[in-house]
Amino acid sequence: EADIYQTPRYLVIGTGKKITLECSQTMGHDKMYWYQQDPGMELHLIHYSYGVNSTEKGDLSSESTVSRIRTEHFPLTLESARPSHTSQYLCASSEYRLANQETQYFGPGTRLLVL
Amino acid sequence: AQSVTQLGSHVSVSEGALVLLRCNYSSSVPPYLFWYVQYPNQGLQLLLKYTSAATLVKGINGFEAEFKKSETSFHLTKPSAHMSDAAEYFCAVRHANFGNEKLTFGTGTRLTIIP
Repeated sequence: EADIYQTPRYLVIGTGKKITLECSQTMGHDKMYWYQQDPGMELHLIHYSYGVNSTEKGDLSSESTVSRIRTEHFPLTLESARPSHTSQYLCASSEYRLANQETQYFGPGTRLLVL
Repeated sequence: AQSVTQLGSHVSVSEGALVLLRCNYSSSVPPYLFWYVQYPNQGLQLLLKYTSAATLVKGINGFEAEFKKSETSFHLTKPSAHMSDAAEYFCAVRHANFGNEKLTFGTGTRLTIIP
């Protein structure tokens, strides 16, 4: 069973505020991911990391940034939140294996509302 | 490029009836295919995955899916629906490309169970 945590679960914040969404996993997984999910829409990959000090942009352009200083921690930061950032953000991790054996495990998500 | 199409954003079935959720994929190379389930206010949980072994894949909670290359399909089925199956279901495809194992998700199908 996967242990991956996200905080906060829900966040309502005003425009222009800086926010950081936390994601932690206790499985020692090298790879971590951030997805953005809007209601009725597919998940879009916005950031991923292969390990410490590795960060890459995903398929969907995002104004957020990420860092990977520790294996277990992959925070996502918005320097100045806007209403267009309102969405659900899902964090995931996976252990490096042969491609056909790798499985991504997801956290519970953070629902962000920017007023 | 790879993609998945989930036919039907909403599916309703009676308790005890067959569940069939459709997924068609597009991939230029043999795909790895996944079904995830998302319960309200929770993250995604892996139901099952196809990784080029057996074409009929059994997952958790009585679900199974069959990979049909000729139809480019990976439909999810369950013989008898339970009320607890009500959730949103996502089909996903992954193409391993030199370590860039990214998941591409469908738009999801919301399953409602009628008592």
